[in-house]
Amino acid sequence: EAQLVESGGGLVQPGGSLRLSCAASGLVVGDNYISWVRQAPGKGLEWVSIIYDDGGTYYADSVKGRFAISRDTSQNTVYLQMKGLRVEDMAVYFCARGPNHLDPWGQGTLVAVSS
Amino acid sequence: YELTQPLSVSVALGETANITCGGRNIGGKNVHWYQQKPGQAPVLVIHRDSNRPSGIPDRLSGSNSGNTATLTIIRAQAGDEADYFCHVWDSRTAVFGGGTKLTVL
Repeated sequence: EAQLVESGGGLVQPGGSLRLSCAASGLVVGDNYISWVRQAPGKGLEWVSIIYDDGGTYYADSVKGRFAISRDTSQNTVYLQMKGLRVEDMAVYFCARGPNHLDPWGQGTLVAVSS
Repeated sequence: YELTQPLSVSVALGETANITCGGRNIGGKNVHWYQQKPGQAPVLVIHRDSNRPSGIPDRLSGSNSGNTATLTIIRAQAGDEADYFCHVWDSRTAVFGGGTKLTVL
């Protein structure tokens, strides 16, 4: 059974950095499309970024230039490096397998941005 | 690209609920639906307009045509109470609807 587990969330000050991890089991990240999707408290889902099986990467306009998605195939893990964090980036961050429908999803990791 | 969902839908126990997702020419795209209960991750319930993953009851179905996709839940149960989100891809970007809170009365 394919599973994804996020980690790395926490409290950071505005302007700070954080790296999220998405560890996969039951699937090979190098053979799959993996997306990051976030959900601000009490709000809907917002797509953040995707890494393709060929390594191609794409970002939402709201995070372009500040966030970077990458993967380590030896660790079977996808990362989201976040820099220049803003209050509006505060959310639960989920990773999920694509490329069409998103399934499965991880349980999420909370990123709080506050001074 | 934008997807529009009603903020809330109410349905009586045992009756039928329809949750809509509006988008320009959405009928030409693959629409996916997710169910999310409080404090949990979203779960895929319908993919590619009308396909159910294994484990999803056949009380849930989907359709997509023109400018509207619809998730239909028949014989609504208390356990169906949740937020539902539609999703499409547009120009290598995932787009989600704002979500609909389904209340089972």
